[in-house]
Amino acid sequence: KQEVTQIPAALSVPEGENLVLNCSFTDSAIYNLQWFRQDPGKGLTSLLLIQSSQREQTSGRLNASLDKSSGRSTLYIAASQPGDSATYLCAVVDAGGTSYGKLTFGQGTILTVHP
Amino acid sequence: DTAVSQTPKYLVTQMGNDKSIKCEQNLGHDTMYWYKQDSKKFLKIMFSYNNKELIINETVPNRFSPKSPDKAHLNLHINSLELGDSAVYFCASSHFVGANEQFFGPGTRLTVL
Repeated sequence: KQEVTQIPAALSVPEGENLVLNCSFTDSAIYNLQWFRQDPGKGLTSLLLIQSSQREQTSGRLNASLDKSSGRSTLYIAASQPGDSATYLCAVVDAGGTSYGKLTFGQGTILTVHP
Repeated sequence: DTAVSQTPKYLVTQMGNDKSIKCEQNLGHDTMYWYKQDSKKFLKIMFSYNNKELIINETVPNRFSPKSPDKAHLNLHINSLELGDSAVYFCASSHFVGANEQFFGPGTRLTVL
C-alpha cells in the first residue's frame, strides 16, 4: 500500500528565502508525481507534474525533482513571497493493479512566508 | 470558463438525510474522481470513473453512490448521512487514467449535524 510522507509539517520563513519541501513515497512503482497548492477554504491548484521517466520540472520560481528509485521528491521555491503562503501537497499516481490511476496524497506542508 | 465545477459549495444537513453533490468538467476529459478531505486535511480517493465506467472504489460505504450520466459529469449521492461524513469533498478530472495531470474543483464542504 502506497504511503506518502511530507516533511516538514509546517514551515515559517521570512520573505526572500529559498526553501525546500520534501516528499517521500514507499512504493516506487508510480506513473507520476504531482505537487499541488491549497489555499485556506479553496480547492487544489496543480503546480507541477513530473512523469516517472523525468528527473525534474520547473515553472517560474518553482522547481520539483524526482528520484523514483529512492522514493523522494523535493519542491524548491526560490525567493519566497508572502503570496506563496499556503499548504503544499505532494501526490503520486500508482502504476498497475487495482490502484491504477489514483492519487495518493501526503498530509501536506503548511508554508507561511512573512514580510 | 470554469474547468471543474461543483455544486453546492456548502451543504449543511441533518443526520439520516440523503444528499447529492454535483460535479461537471468542461475540459473534455475522460476520467473523473471524487476525493474526501477530512478534518485533519488528509485527502483520500473515493471513486474514479473512466468514460462513465467505475474503475476505482476505495472501500467506501455503500451509502455513497457515484453516478456518471456522461463523461463530463460525476455526481455523488450520499444516503443516511452520518456525523463522520462531515468533510470537504473534491471532484477532479484528468485527460485519461494514469499518467495525467489531475485538475480539481473548488470543493463542497459538507456538515452533518
